[in-house]
Amino acid sequence: KQEVTQIPAALSVPEGENLVLNCSFTDSAIYNLQWFRQDPGKGLTSLLLIQSSQREQTSGRLNASLDKSSGRSTLYIAASQPGDSATYLCAVPSGSARQLTFGSGTQLTVLP
Amino acid sequence: DTAVSQTPKYLVTQMGNDKSIKCEQNLGHDTMYWYKQDSKKFLKIMFSYNNKELIINETVPNRFSPKSPDKAHLNLHINSLELGDSAVYFCASSQTGYNSPLHFGNGTRLTVT
Repeated sequence: KQEVTQIPAALSVPEGENLVLNCSFTDSAIYNLQWFRQDPGKGLTSLLLIQSSQREQTSGRLNASLDKSSGRSTLYIAASQPGDSATYLCAVPSGSARQLTFGSGTQLTVLP
Repeated sequence: DTAVSQTPKYLVTQMGNDKSIKCEQNLGHDTMYWYKQDSKKFLKIMFSYNNKELIINETVPNRFSPKSPDKAHLNLHINSLELGDSAVYFCASSQTGYNSPLHFGNGTRLTVT
């Protein structure tokens, strides 16, 4: 059974810092890994999807990497801004019907 | 706006009642999902529909039943509500295919008293 873990559970940084969020998964036979952002009272917004054949994906100040063999992914946020404050979740599809298994998220606070 | 929309945003009801949550997507996706987020913020799949067929069904109580009148809608019906059903329920959609990202609605916060 796929298990997804995110460390740390919460992170607080001053504005302008670069930071890394971590995600690990137990079953390396994945098709892709997705990173989402969740704002309070809102749904999830898909940030990046890395296919299993890819090593990384970039979108603006965000860079996600994937190491299937070690069961790890990282989300790098450059030059963090207060608007980046949110909960970040990673998820992998598992099972024959590709249901997403989510991590518990990292709550990020960027202080002005 | 193209989006996944679900109603209502908040739902407060008493134990034993029956309630429904509606979801619609205008993204042209062919697969829709219901997820439950509990008080510890864990998101777990409940159901998904592809071309009007239920393709996965996690071990949720049969008091929960998805209804899909067409591929743009997936409603969630809950019978005989219990206190433990209190959670945030999210609708989502995607195209078929392992590498299609999911698009989520803003959630329905259900409180059972």
